[in-house]
Amino acid sequence: DSGVTQTPKHLITATGQRVTLRCSPRSGDLSVYWYQQSLDQGLQFLIQYYNGEERAKGNILERFSAQQFPDLHSELNLSSLELGDSALYFCASSLSGGFSTDTQYFGPGTRLTVL
Amino acid sequence: AQTVTQSQPEMSVQEAETVTLSCTYDTSENNYYLFWYKQPPSRQMILVIRQEAYKQQNATENRFSVNFQKAAKSFSLKISDSQLGDTAMYFCAFTLGGTYKYIFGTGTRLKVLA
Repeated sequence: DSGVTQTPKHLITATGQRVTLRCSPRSGDLSVYWYQQSLDQGLQFLIQYYNGEERAKGNILERFSAQQFPDLHSELNLSSLELGDSALYFCASSLSGGFSTDTQYFGPGTRLTVL
Repeated sequence: AQTVTQSQPEMSVQEAETVTLSCTYDTSENNYYLFWYKQPPSRQMILVIRQEAYKQQNATENRFSVNFQKAAKSFSLKISDSQLGDTAMYFCAFTLGGTYKYIFGTGTRLKVLA
């Protein structure tokens, strides 16, 4: 158990809908990262937050947004869902924000299925 | 741009044998870090081993060790005394020092045979 929690574990929804994925980092970690893993692919970086502020952005679609709250949990919002958004979404956390190279610890992921 | 390549989509090994998974990367930077993550059927991403590029000594964690060849930009993972529980997807990942995102390879599916 990495100490990173993600809810829900599974999510099934329809095209055009909006969903929110939630992540709680390890105790003491200030950075949260979101990654997308499509079927049998590597993980693609979406976005990073550090202590409530957006720190880095990857290939995140405009339909997707994220935020990190004062208690450091993070939410990833996916809207106008398309079939191709079906994937495993991972959250990871690390101690700092990139000033040193911390190891990222991954949550169990949320499997999103868009029908 | 940095890239990570895993050229072996699938591998198999007999229980108790040794197997080596390959990873190559491309970067013009000197300060970077490399990782191997394991993803079993549960889909959890589990850190196996980490290597700092400035360290010449290869990292080792129990039955897992790496062969880090900086000049060749190669970072292979050796699993000794393979166990059935080692069956998983293995991802090689790269990050620049002081930056944030990990760049992952496409993975190698390893099956340990009884």
